[in-house]
Amino acid sequence: GENVEQHPSTLSVQEGDSAVIKCTYSDSASNYFPWYKQELGKRPQLIIDIRSNVGEKKDQRIAVTLNKTAKHFSLHITETQPEDSAVYFCAATPDNYGQNFVFGPGTRLSVLP
Amino acid sequence: DGGITQSPKYLFRKEGQNVTLSCEQNLNHDAMYWYRQDPGQGLRLIYYSQIVNDFQKGDIAEGYSVSREKKESFPLTVTSAQKNPTAFYLCASRETGNTEAFFGQGTRLTVV
Repeated sequence: GENVEQHPSTLSVQEGDSAVIKCTYSDSASNYFPWYKQELGKRPQLIIDIRSNVGEKKDQRIAVTLNKTAKHFSLHITETQPEDSAVYFCAATPDNYGQNFVFGPGTRLSVLP
Repeated sequence: DGGITQSPKYLFRKEGQNVTLSCEQNLNHDAMYWYRQDPGQGLRLIYYSQIVNDFQKGDIAEGYSVSREKKESFPLTVTSAQKNPTAFYLCASRETGNTEAFFGQGTRLTVV
């Protein structure tokens, strides 16, 4: 089955700096890679996703890059703000009916004012 | 208002008692999932269901049971066989071909 690793487990940056979180996956059949943000005590919410036919996707200050050959994908947050402080989870799954959704262990991002 | 709803938000039970957590969705999603989250930990899959009357064990299914009698409902029972049941439980659903997973607000279970 799929195995997703995520690094680093914790990350502290100064407000305005960039943050990068990296994930690797094991199953070459995976072709959908979402990123979720979870604020303290709340539900995870999708912030950006990418499919295997795309190498990079950007949404304002957030971008995701994918290297299918190397089986890794990364989340990039630019111009970080205090409200970006949260736990971020990556996930990987085949985009097929009913397939399991496997998450990485999460990265706790702290943006220091 | 469409969405996925978990109830209750907080639940307290005595050790040795079974307890059932509710998860309902009106998004018409086929697949539903239960995850467990411990403090500072990631999301660990307990059970998932692809279709009514069918479900599969996840990585940590021991001590848990589920049913999927209706498309919109996927209740999770935490049995007395679960050695350490105190945790935050999250339910999620997603539609075939539309791969974003939507999460409920979670149930925090405390066993005393």
